[in-house]
Amino acid sequence: AQSVTQPDIHITVSEGASLELRCNYSYGATPYLFWYVQSPGQGLQLLLKYFSGDTLVQGIKGFEAEFKRSQSSFNLRKPSVHWSDAAEYFCAVVRSGGYNKLIFGAGTRLAVHP
Amino acid sequence: ETGVTQSPTHLIKTRGQQVTLRCSSQSGHNTVSWYQQALGQGPQFIFQYYREEENGRGNFPPRFSGLQFPNYSSELNVNALELDDSALYLCASSPGRGSGTEAFFGQGTRLTVV
Repeated sequence: AQSVTQPDIHITVSEGASLELRCNYSYGATPYLFWYVQSPGQGLQLLLKYFSGDTLVQGIKGFEAEFKRSQSSFNLRKPSVHWSDAAEYFCAVVRSGGYNKLIFGAGTRLAVHP
Repeated sequence: ETGVTQSPTHLIKTRGQQVTLRCSSQSGHNTVSWYQQALGQGPQFIFQYYREEENGRGNFPPRFSGLQFPNYSSELNVNALELDDSALYLCASSPGRGSGTEAFFGQGTRLTVV
């Protein structure tokens, strides 16, 4: 069965520091991969997605993610975190060629210290 | 362009009651998916509707049912509510049902079962 693991439940960084959120997936073939962000009281907003091609993808708000097939990983990065980035981040996969049923990880809650 | 809207935003129900949650899809979108997000967890796929037909279903019992209307808005109905049904219910609309189509999420309905 497909699954997504986000090993870090909580991460705290200082404003201006770099950030990396980890995501590992379990799937027989290469799925489509997504990162979403959820601010308190809000729905989910898509940050970026990977379907194929260049394994480094750029998203909104200065985020990027790198797909590593050999490690079944799709880690999210940002070179310099802003206080407004404090939120919950979800990695998700979809079976390529199927319908858009998203399978989410449990999420990583990011806190940003001033 | 109007985004995905859900109503109500909050709801308190008693165990054993029935509840109906509503979702208006984004203009031009013919596909609606529903997700349940329990506290501290990632969203879990309940089911998807495409052009008024159920297109896929997650691991939820039959007391979770849905409808999609000709204008592509949707309802989620839950019968015989249980305490574990307390969660944030998210609706997502997309312009198609394929795995590569982006899902746009509403802000959710917070259901509390007492």
